[in-house]
Parts: sequence; structure tokens; C-alpha cells
Amino acid sequence: DAKTTQPNSMESNEEEPVHLPCNHSTISGTDYIHWYRQLPSQGPEYVIHGLTSNVNNRMASLAIAEDRKSSTLILHRATLRDAAVYYCILRDESGGGADGLTFGKGTHLIIQP
Amino acid sequence: EAQVTQNPRYLITVTGKKLTVTCSQNMNHEYMSWYRQDPGLGLRQIYYSMNVEVTDKGDVPEGYKVSRKEKRNFPLILESPSPNQTSLYFCASSLWGLGNQPQHFGDGTRLSIL
Repeated sequence: DAKTTQPNSMESNEEEPVHLPCNHSTISGTDYIHWYRQLPSQGPEYVIHGLTSNVNNRMASLAIAEDRKSSTLILHRATLRDAAVYYCILRDESGGGADGLTFGKGTHLIIQP
Repeated sequence: EAQVTQNPRYLITVTGKKLTVTCSQNMNHEYMSWYRQDPGLGLRQIYYSMNVEVTDKGDVPEGYKVSRKEKRNFPLILESPSPNQTSLYFCASSLWGLGNQPQHFGDGTRLSIL
């Protein structure tokens, strides 16, 4: 799977939108962009994924650049419960179980009350 | 409720004493996988299973065994645990082992091997 680059940490205020960036300049045409988050003392939690078009679900929105070399996870109104490490992961459409999910260091999101 | 259940959540044991960590999912998923998480190393895949009776090695399989006799269960077996297997373990499942499938994770099992 191609590599992603994320900021080590970001800070935001409660009830404000949060934009978490991810760069993936070597993405291939068949790579899906996935976002997971891991809250303290819990397992990773799926947030959202997309291929080319922007995606929305109940948790977040995913904005994908036209050239697909970067993406942004958007939390529309952050709460204290959104404080977690957020991982941006690329996964080829064929999956291939041996790849698993490659978790980098992610972005540690801090939410201030 | 759709979930992946791991047991035990915590275990302290001694070198060489065989142990099994169970994993069960109730979503009728074909694909299941085991990861370990260590500080500074992120999550690394140990073993995975694309379907019943089909298992294969991930990135760090040494010292571990798995089996997939039923779709819902995927136990992780440490035949002779050693201190370097002290770690946080996660089981995950997805509908299929494809790149557009989200994976669902259990809450983790923290193993300490003394």
C-alpha cells in the first residue's frame, strides 16, 4: 500500500469544525482512502472511506482532492469524545489479506472544552 | 449489536504457558485478522483468514498460531509465550478481504508475558 503523511497532532475547540489533512502523493488509481480513529484504551474504529468522490456519513465527511494526492477528514462539530488518534490509510481495491491495514503514527487530535 | 468480541481483555502469564485469545464476530464476515500494537510500531498484522479453513501469515506470524473452523471464530494461540509477545492485541473482521471494505475491531487484549 502507498504511504500517507499526516501531522503528528492537531488541536481544536469543542463544537468547532476540524479538518484533518492527509497527503498521499504516490496513491494509485485503485487505492481506496480509509480513515480510522482510535480512542484511548479502545480498538481502532472505522470512520469513513472513499475512492474519488467526496463522501459523507453520520460521523464525518471525506474530501478528496481532484488529483487524489491528498484528502481531508472533516468533523463538522467536534466534541470531547472525538479526541483520538486519527489514521489515514490507503488500501488497494483487491485487498489481498496479507496487506492488512497499515497504520502509521496518525494525527493525535486534542479537543479543548 | 454488531461486534467483535475478544477474551480475555487482560492476561498476565508466564513464559512457556500455552494460552489462547478468543475472537468472535456476529456479522457473518468472511474475513478475520489479528494485529498486535506496540509503542512506536503501530499495528502490525499477525495472521489473517479469508474464509473458513483458510488462514495465512501476516507481517509478524512467528510464535503464533490461528485456526478458522467456523466463520464466526478466529482464536489466536500462543503455544509457548515469550516476553517479546507482551503487547496489545486486536482482532478485526470485514465482510470480505477487499480494499473497499471497512474493518471492525474488537476492544483489544492486553497480554503480559513474564
